[in-house]
Order: sequence, then C-alpha cells, then structure tokens
Amino acid sequence: AQSVTQLDSQVPVFEEAPVELRCNYSSSVSVYLFWYVQYPNQGLQLLLKYLSGSTLVKGINGFEAEFNKSQTSFHLRKPSVHISDTAEYFCAVSVPMDSSYKLIFGSGTRLLVRP
Amino acid sequence: DGGITQSPKYLFRKEGQNVTLSCEQNLNHDAMYWYRQDPGQGLRLIYYSQIVNDFQKGDIAEGYSVSREKKESFPLTVTSAQKNPTAFYLCASSMRGTSNYGYTFGSGTRLTVV
Repeated sequence: AQSVTQLDSQVPVFEEAPVELRCNYSSSVSVYLFWYVQYPNQGLQLLLKYLSGSTLVKGINGFEAEFNKSQTSFHLRKPSVHISDTAEYFCAVSVPMDSSYKLIFGSGTRLLVRP
Repeated sequence: DGGITQSPKYLFRKEGQNVTLSCEQNLNHDAMYWYRQDPGQGLRLIYYSQIVNDFQKGDIAEGYSVSREKKESFPLTVTSAQKNPTAFYLCASSMRGTSNYGYTFGSGTRLTVV
C-alpha cells in the first residue's frame, strides 16, 4: 500500500537559516509527488510538484524539492527562511483510485521560524 | 476568480444534531473530495465524487453523508452518528483522471461540538 511519512512533526529554525523538511514515500508504481503549505485556519496551497524529468523541482516562495527514487524521498528545502514561512507543510503522493486517482497525505510538519 | 468556497468558516453543533457543510466550486472540475483534519494526523479522506450523482466512501466515512446533485456542489452532512465530529473539514476538487494536476482546496470549516 502507498504511504507517506513525514519524519518531523515540528521543525524550529531561526530566520534566514536554511531548512529541510523530510518526506519519504512508499509506492509500487510510478508516483507523482506534491508539497502543500497550510497557514493557520486556511486550506492547503500547492507549493510544488514532481511529475517527471528533472529531479530538482522549484516552487513558489523560494522553496524547492528533490526527488530521489533510490531513497524514495522528496525532501523540501529553502536556503533562507522568513517569519512568514511559519506554517504547516504536507507532503502527498498521487495513487490510482477507481478510474481516477487520490492524494495520500503525510501527517504534516510544522515549521516554526523564530526571529 | 475561480476557486472553491466553503461555508460557514466556523460551525457549532449540539449533541445529537445533524449539520451540513457547504462546498461550491467554479473551476469546472469533475472530481470533489472531503477531508477531515485533526492535529498531528494529517488529512483523512471522508468521501469523494468523480461525477455528478455518484460518490464513494473514503477511509473514514462512518457518521457522514454527501450528495452530488450538481457538478459545482458537494455538501457534507455530519450526522449524529459521528461520535467525535470536532475537527477542521477541507473540501477539494480536481480534474478527473489527471493525476498530475493535484487538488485545489477550499479554506475549510472548523466544526466544534458544544
């Protein structure tokens, strides 16, 4: 069965420091991978997605992620974070469902940026 | 602008009451989804619908019901059979059959039992 594991429930970091949020997935088929961000009491917003091609994917707000097939990972990175990046981040994998597909989400990582 | 509208933003339910959460989209998406979010548990799929007049149970459908009479609308009813309904509920939509598109989410409804 497909699943997504986000290893860190919370990541504290100082402003302007780099950050990496970890995501590992398990799947027996080719996957599409996504990172979403959720600000308090809001819905999820797509940060970036990996479909195929280059393993380094760039997204909005200066975030990027690298797909590593051998390690089944899709870690999210940002070289210098801002206070406004404080939010919850979800990794997701797309899996077949009936004649369509569904997204399976990890449990989320709360990024806390401190001044 | 196209998007998904969820209402109300906050909802309070008394014990034994049924309540209905609204979800409307103007993206012309075929598929719609309801997720429940609890702290530390990520998102869990309640129901989904890929076409009008058809819907399927997700992973935690017990105590919930849905309808899909129009392409634009996918309301969720939280029934009195749902023993622990306090949570944040998210509606999403996508193009049917396109796994590389991802979902568009609404801004959520926070339901609290009083």
